[in-house]
Amino acid sequence: QVTLRESGPALVKPTQTLTLTCTFSGFSLDTSGMCVSWVRQPPGKALEWLALMDWGDDKYYNTPLKTRLTLSRDTSKNQVVLTMTNMEPVDTGTYFCARLHVCPSGGMDVWGQGTTVTVSS
Amino acid sequence: QSALTQPASVSGSPGQSITISCTGSSSSVGDYNLVSWYQKHPGKAPKLIIYEVTKRPSGVSNRFAGSKSGNTASLTISGLQADDEADYYCCSYAGSSSFAVFGGGTKLAVL
Repeated sequence: QVTLRESGPALVKPTQTLTLTCTFSGFSLDTSGMCVSWVRQPPGKALEWLALMDWGDDKYYNTPLKTRLTLSRDTSKNQVVLTMTNMEPVDTGTYFCARLHVCPSGGMDVWGQGTTVTVSS
Repeated sequence: QSALTQPASVSGSPGQSITISCTGSSSSVGDYNLVSWYQKHPGKAPKLIIYEVTKRPSGVSNRFAGSKSGNTASLTISGLQADDEADYYCCSYAGSSSFAVFGGGTKLAVL
């Protein structure tokens, strides 16, 4: 069974750095074609694609947010970590990680339940 | 990469069919047959219902169908049911520089 779970702080202050962890099971990110992506949704707004790491450790970022985002991986723990610097109130929302098992064509087929982040002083 | 354009809302009665459009550019929807659609109920994670423009994941009802013409992809839901009331998002591969872009979402009301 494939599962993903997001974890991280529920509250961060403006200008701080957010670190979110996606812990997954049931698949290996070393498998050719496998990817893990991050998506967020501000309250009442649309989904926004943030970043993606593929099986070869290549990383892709949302162009306008590129300077603030970094993906890393802890292979031993089956985790993909997203860091976002200089957090602002507009970054408040629910952050999801998702798997693509045939990347990029297969779509994000399994999602975590999401973690809510509030940016406020 | 600009967001894909979807109508803000659509509505239909139970049993009817509706279609949601998703318009992108030649560097996203038009260039790649890599459009996916997601159903999202409030407070839940998105659910993949269509990938590669027309394909349905295992377990997704055949009432959901995808298509594409030029820079516009479409999702058709037939035989509307109450549980179809949700937000629907399209997403397209946008090349190796941008990778993916979502639409603005469409709220479906089943009246």
